[in-house]
Amino acid sequence: AQSVAQPEDQVNVAEGNPLTVKCTYSVSGNPYLFWYVQYPNRGLQFLLKYITGDNLVKGSYGFEAEFNKSQTSFHLKKPSALVSDSALYFCAVRDWGDYKLSFGAGTTVTVRA
Amino acid sequence: EAGVAQSPRYKIIEKRQSVAFWCNPISGHATLYWYQQILGQGPKLLIQFQNNGVVDDSQLPKDRFSAERLKGVDSTLKIQPAKLEDSAVYLCASSLEKGEQYFGPGTRLTVT
Repeated sequence: AQSVAQPEDQVNVAEGNPLTVKCTYSVSGNPYLFWYVQYPNRGLQFLLKYITGDNLVKGSYGFEAEFNKSQTSFHLKKPSALVSDSALYFCAVRDWGDYKLSFGAGTTVTVRA
Repeated sequence: EAGVAQSPRYKIIEKRQSVAFWCNPISGHATLYWYQQILGQGPKLLIQFQNNGVVDDSQLPKDRFSAERLKGVDSTLKIQPAKLEDSAVYLCASSLEKGEQYFGPGTRLTVT
């Protein structure tokens, strides 16, 4: 079975400060890892993914994520947060041999001006 | 490129009524997914199609939920009869084989 944990329901940061959203995962095989963002009344938008290769993955809107196999983590980061980054962020995982994507419960990010 | 289209965007029904949602995936995407997203939770997969065949429907409450993708393109998800706990956002997504999934805007269902 595969699962994702997002330990923080909410993250609050000031604009211009670094932003980190935490994610840990559990899969039986090699993981495919994803981050999605959801704005109010909108569907999920793909930010980035890790399949294989470099542990640091760069994605849309200046976001990046670091895959850490020993800690089974895939934290999302942005060096300088914007007010417009305020949204709901979901981490997701699937086993390399499977189609099924399992999502975390989500982390609400609030960036204050 | 056009994204995943869903309709309606909002629906309010009374319990025991029926409702249907429609999804048109991105052109060329063979895989289509329906998710249920209850407030405060991550999306939960209900059913996955590969072309017009069902790959996974293990979490679909088959006594009241049904879905079809007859021509391997657009899809319909139906609930009959609806219960209060079915209130959620229903998301449709599509992908190329095992690639990243692209989501539609969702249908917000309220059952009263």
